[in-house]
Amino acid sequence: DIVMTQSPDSLPVSLGERATLQCRSSQTILHDFNNKSYLAWYQHKSGQPPKLLIYWASTRESGVPDRFTGSGSGTDFTLTINNLQAEDVAAYYCQQFYTSPSTFGQGTKLEIK
Amino acid sequence: QVHLQESGPAVLKPSETLSLTCSLSGGYFGSFYWNWIRQAPGKRPEWIGFVTYIGTTNYSPSLQSRVTMSVDTSNNQFSLRLASVTAADTAVYYCARDASGLRFFDYWGQGVLVTVSS
Repeated sequence: DIVMTQSPDSLPVSLGERATLQCRSSQTILHDFNNKSYLAWYQHKSGQPPKLLIYWASTRESGVPDRFTGSGSGTDFTLTINNLQAEDVAAYYCQQFYTSPSTFGQGTKLEIK
Repeated sequence: QVHLQESGPAVLKPSETLSLTCSLSGGYFGSFYWNWIRQAPGKRPEWIGFVTYIGTTNYSPSLQSRVTMSVDTSNNQFSLRLASVTAADTAVYYCARDASGLRFFDYWGQGVLVTVSS
């Protein structure tokens, strides 16, 4: 199985600042035939269902604020949250869907500094 | 708006069979893949498998020998059965929709905590 590793485990960021979350896969998740990386990002707030933010590494799901940006290709990926809001406090997970079984990272807990 | 809601027993004894149901409202079953995902305390989420509206299934190899999924389109529900549970199966169980068949999930249920304890 592909192992997804996120860093850091916990990230304190001040309101209005930028948060940068990292995700690395143990092998490439970039498909040659469509040049797409098979990576998704989710936001999971306490007491709520997880929410899809990004797929194809950089495509924002409908309704997701443009403060959330996904980037990267191959094995290294970044989720950037600009102008951090209090409502962004959550755990964030990356997931590869390149091969079955799809696998998740261990998560990054974003908190307000 | 698609809404998913899990239901089932919260506590099981070792060796029993876990049985959960996910109820769909605000949407329809056709053309989608209906998944179960779990997250044990302090662990990363783990994909369990999916069932389609016609009953096609695909399970994670690590759980395949113990998992059965089914769909009841007339009642807008799909189900998970996990046999011979142990404490390692203690987790929050989520149902989730995969709209594309690509195995990322655009709608999730709230999740239900299932505890296995003697």
